[in-house]
Amino acid sequence: EPEVTQTPSHQVTQMGQEVILRCVPISNHLYFYWYRQILGQKVEFLVSFYNNEISEKSEIFDDQFSVERPDGSNFTLKIRSTKLEDSAMYFCASGQGPFSPLHFGNGTRLTVT
Amino acid sequence: AQSVTQLGSHVSVSEGALVLLRCNYSSSVPPYLFWYVQYPNQGLQLLLKYTTGATLVKGINGFEAEFKKSETSFHLTKPSAHMSDAAEYFCAVSDPGNTGKLIFGQGTTLQVKP
Repeated sequence: EPEVTQTPSHQVTQMGQEVILRCVPISNHLYFYWYRQILGQKVEFLVSFYNNEISEKSEIFDDQFSVERPDGSNFTLKIRSTKLEDSAMYFCASGQGPFSPLHFGNGTRLTVT
Repeated sequence: AQSVTQLGSHVSVSEGALVLLRCNYSSSVPPYLFWYVQYPNQGLQLLLKYTTGATLVKGINGFEAEFKKSETSFHLTKPSAHMSDAAEYFCAVSDPGNTGKLIFGQGTTLQVKP
């Protein structure tokens, strides 16, 4: 069964550094998402992406965050200048349509020191 | 605004016992509801979903959930727990906007004792 893949599985970075988290969604999916889960907390929506543009973003998704679909397969999340509070598990998800179930990757654990 | 509340952050059952994980939602429109399971160091896997039609929905691994509009609930059940069911379970509601965004509850960790 097709799956969403995320790389790297773990990323350690120093505060102030830029990080790029990568995702390969399922190939025939059109809707793409990033969520994050701070340790011990709920899964939080960051951003949705459709038709090569952001369709919705949360208040967490400030100017330090950006997303891109640079080619037909990858979907990336960039954090320009990481803060300690950005430490979390970041999940990429994709779906065929706006109300179809989302398929999640295994996540990237980001640790900011 | 949509929201999801899962009662009980931790639930412990014995192997073979009934599993009941509670989920209540608030929604301004008829909701689409989901249960996802997260095993350690893995992503979220869809267990089951309710969109329209039959209010009792069956999912993978013997789980089922019933949509009760009058109670705004979507509780997850399994008649007999297995050790492999130990995981974190998330209830989610789909936002009525057309972005497909999911709003998650805070999760319930299920422990299964031998």
